[in-house]
Parts: sequence; structure tokens; C-alpha cells
Amino acid sequence: DAKTTQPNSMESNEEEPVHLPCNHSTISGTDYIHWYRQLPSQGPEYVIHGLTSNVNNRMASLAIAEDRKSSTLILHRATLRDAAVYYCISPNNAGNMLTFGGGTRLMVKP
Amino acid sequence: KAGVTQTPRYLIKTRGQQVTLSCSPISGHRSVSWYQQTPGQGLQFLFEYFSETQRNKGNFPGRFSGRQFSNSRSEMNVSTLELGDSALYLCASSRYGLGDTQYFGPGTRLTVL
Repeated sequence: DAKTTQPNSMESNEEEPVHLPCNHSTISGTDYIHWYRQLPSQGPEYVIHGLTSNVNNRMASLAIAEDRKSSTLILHRATLRDAAVYYCISPNNAGNMLTFGGGTRLMVKP
Repeated sequence: KAGVTQTPRYLIKTRGQQVTLSCSPISGHRSVSWYQQTPGQGLQFLFEYFSETQRNKGNFPGRFSGRQFSNSRSEMNVSTLELGDSALYLCASSRYGLGDTQYFGPGTRLTVL
């Protein structure tokens, strides 16, 4: 698995966009970038994933750098319910374990 | 579609005892993986089972073991419990394995006294 690096914490105001960065400089060419988030007292939940192109879904957008060494998770309008720890990972099936780093704790202020 | 379920949700044991945790994956998912989450170490991978075979393993001692049944349900066993085993144990299921989207259960909170 590629090692990922994320800031420990970020703050945002409610209703404003949030950009959560992730560095994954050792990612291989065929490994996807996945984002999960963990709300308090819950298991992690899938947010979005992508390979090369930018991706959008109902929860968020994922912007992937052209060299694939970094990506940014974008929450277009943060709500209080988006306060969670966000994990960026790049797993694969090839006999490697799924590695979660410390993630980014997002705090949303009303 | 029902999500991943884990039982029990909470468990209190004493040092030296053993414990078995259960995980029922989403229907159709053949991969089940287990994780330990503690405040100090974060989310750490234990092992993955796919079609009743352990396919990947993390860096945990042999006291941690697991198995998967033909219906894809999985159990994790921890023998000779230590205080440091107190943690939230999460399982996740997916169709094809660790490179696929993982669907996590709510976890089992184990406290070792």
C-alpha cells in the first residue's frame, strides 16, 4: 500500500467549503485513492474513490493531481454532521494490508 | 440491503481470558477484514478472510486469530487477553478484497480489566 500523509486536524465554518489534502507520493499506477470518514462512535464509512480523473458523488468531490502524488477531498458546504476523522488510503489486493494513517480530524464551527 | 453487523457491541473481560467476536458481512460480500482501533495506535489492520481463507495478515501476535465460514460470516478470537487489548474492534466487508470499497460495521468495544 502507498503511505499517505494528512494533516492532523482542520477547522471549517459551517456552510463553507472544505478542502482536505492528502499526499500519497509512493502510489503505484493502478492503485485507487479511497477516502473514508469516521463519525464519533461509529465505524468508518466510505466517502469516495478515484484513480486519475476528478470524481463527484452526493457526498463530496475528489480532485486528483495529474502526477497522482496527492489528492484533495472537497466538501462543498460543510455541515456540523461532517465533523469526523477523514482517512485517505490507497489499498490494493496484492497481498498488502489496508493501512490507515492518523487521518484528519475535521472540526466544523457553527 | 442490510449493513455489516457485529456482535456483541460491548464486552468486558479480565486478563487471561479469551474472547470471540462475530461479524456478519453484507450479503454477497466474500471478503471480511478485521481492525483494531485504539486512541494511541489508530486503526490497525489485523487480517482479511476471503472465501474461508486468510488472505492477508497484519502485524499482530498469534493470540489474535480468525476464521470465516461458508456463508462468509467471520469470527475473531483473542486468547490470553492483556490490558492492552482493550480497543474497538471493527470488521469490514467487501466484494473482492482490500482494494475494493470497504463497508464497516459499528464495532465491538472490548474492555479488559
